[in-house]
Amino acid sequence: DGGITQSPKYLFRKEGQNVTLSCEQNLNHDAMYWYRQDPGQGLRLIYYSQIVNDFQKGDIAEGYSVSREKKESFPLTVTSAQKNPTAFYLCASSINRRASTDTQYFGPGTRLTVL
Amino acid sequence: AQSVAQPEDQVNVAEGNPLTVKCTYSVSGNPYLFWYVQYPNRGLQFLLKYITGDNLVKGSYGFEAEFNKSQTSFHLKKPSALVSDSALYFCAVRDPTSGTYKYIFGTGTRLKVLA
Repeated sequence: DGGITQSPKYLFRKEGQNVTLSCEQNLNHDAMYWYRQDPGQGLRLIYYSQIVNDFQKGDIAEGYSVSREKKESFPLTVTSAQKNPTAFYLCASSINRRASTDTQYFGPGTRLTVL
Repeated sequence: AQSVAQPEDQVNVAEGNPLTVKCTYSVSGNPYLFWYVQYPNRGLQFLLKYITGDNLVKGSYGFEAEFNKSQTSFHLKKPSALVSDSALYFCAVRDPTSGTYKYIFGTGTRLKVLA
């Protein structure tokens, strides 16, 4: 988990509220990613960013939003439009050089529970 | 389309015995293949990867994996299992010709090493 921090570790939210999950990395990586993990479903990509001020939707972007104003930071907002937000959220980063093999490294995760 | 399959939800093995966790993949080009391990309520830890070259890849904690192109497999192995190896294991594939840096993850295999 070293080099990538996620906060908070546990987060509780009432229905109808937006909530923002923090992800910071000090690895000088260009690319950052957000995944959602549900039991028995593996990891599903929400959003990814290959460079500052640019990001793309992943496979399940509906109900989520992101920003990438700084290289080190890639916050994820879970909006009230996300129908089933209770899950474990994982942030990852990678070097993103074209010639690299681009291993992704993961943060420790945030467990979001909607009450 | 890229895909990866982990056919076993759970693998049980006695401590000291060899272990194998299976992974098969489907990509249009030559794949980049990865194995990660996840302990409860933690992020994913990188174990090893195959990019090119020798089909037998050695990684962290005594794990290794064998790339088999004809069988499109990348099984994770360890000669002698430890109780501390008990965790959730994920295989992932990336197609470097796809134009994206997206990984596709399997659904995970829970390894239980019995004392």
